[in-house]
Amino acid sequence: GQNIDQPTEMTATEGAIVQINCTYQTSGFNGLFWYQQHAGEAPTFLSYNVLDGLEEKGRFSSFLSRSKGYSYLLLKELQMKDSASYLCAVRDSNYQLIWGAGTKLIIKP
Amino acid sequence: GAVVSQHPSWVICKSGTSVKIECRSLDFQATTMFWYRQFPKQSLMLMATSNEGSKATYEQGVEKDKFLINHASLTLSTLTVTSAHPEDSSFYICSAKGTSDYEQYFGPGTRLTVT
Repeated sequence: GQNIDQPTEMTATEGAIVQINCTYQTSGFNGLFWYQQHAGEAPTFLSYNVLDGLEEKGRFSSFLSRSKGYSYLLLKELQMKDSASYLCAVRDSNYQLIWGAGTKLIIKP
Repeated sequence: GAVVSQHPSWVICKSGTSVKIECRSLDFQATTMFWYRQFPKQSLMLMATSNEGSKATYEQGVEKDKFLINHASLTLSTLTVTSAHPEDSSFYICSAKGTSDYEQYFGPGTRLTVT
């Protein structure tokens, strides 16, 4: 079966750095996505990785290792507004998105 | 960036009635739209994929006669929840795939409460 694992919840301090991990087992691979979702709102796109390596976009970076079935989202200089759920999703061989359950990130002052 | 709208943003209906939710791509043509539902503290669950001008493809376990999807144009898809029951109460989100290969643009979601 297809499976995506990410931690349920993480806590970090304002101004610090946090890394949210995602491991996946899917039927084929056509890219990995990270989305941010605030409570009661729809997800918003953060990043896309299809090749191994690090993609940096401002305070957010995303890393992919296809051989390990592993990705992480790195958030730097954390702000209170970064408190949200972060969803990892993998596009499989049928070009369907397989979603992780999301990681709830709590930022403390 | 591309914008997807949903209407209504929230709706309360009585058990047994039907509710229609609209999803529109405002500034791009979406040949493919997706409908998701999300329960509190749970991930997105894909319900169906709709392509303009053809029948929607439903995921296993999703009743196509209960969740009617119509994708009549390149900018509009509708989801109708027929004979709604309290267990249909959920957050329904649509997304649209544009010309970019890697992005899906999400609508803001519709919160449905069936009493």
